[in-house]
Amino acid sequence: EIVLTQSPGTLSLSPGERATLSCRASQSISGNYLAWYQQKPGQAPRLLIYGASSRATGIPDRFSGSGSGTDFTLTITRLEPEDFVVYYCQQYGTSPLTFGGGTKVEIK
Amino acid sequence: QMQLQESGPGLVKPSETLSLTCTVSGASIKSYYWTWVRQPPGKGLEWIGYIYYNVITNYNPSLKSRVTISVDTSKSQFSLRVNSVTAADTAIYYCASLRWQQAPMDVWGAGAPVTVSS
Repeated sequence: EIVLTQSPGTLSLSPGERATLSCRASQSISGNYLAWYQQKPGQAPRLLIYGASSRATGIPDRFSGSGSGTDFTLTITRLEPEDFVVYYCQQYGTSPLTFGGGTKVEIK
Repeated sequence: QMQLQESGPGLVKPSETLSLTCTVSGASIKSYYWTWVRQPPGKGLEWIGYIYYNVITNYNPSLKSRVTISVDTSKSQFSLRVNSVTAADTAIYYCASLRWQQAPMDVWGAGAPVTVSS
């Protein structure tokens, strides 16, 4: 199976700063079938990015995704207070579908 | 607008079967793939499996021997069964939709917490 490693585990930043989250795959992800999800406490995950770089419906443009092959990045250009939560990457190109371990973005 | 809602017992005894149902509204159950994901307390997400219209199923090998996913088109529901549960199956169980076989999980249910305990 494809193992996804997210780094850092925790990112400490201030509102208004730029966040860069990494997701590295143990092998190349076919079709760049890589998604990013945001999960707030007590809620289900919400799809942010699919196909490595396409924003899902209703997602603000401060969220962007990039990368290909084995290295992918989620960037949040200007952190808003509601962005300080947990983010997961997921690959859906190869079965079994797998998730990364998550990155928590916390207020510094 | 599609909505998903999980339902089922919140407490299951060890060695018994966990059964959950996801009710689909606002979309045809015949038009999407449907999937289950779980999240143990304080941990990350684990994909369980998906189904398409009782024609295609695909399960995580780590759970395959104990898991069954099925669709009831007459009720617009799909279901999850996990046999021989242990405390390690304690988690929040989410249902979600996939627009096609290789697709992100774009609509999620709110989640159903399940505890395995005697």
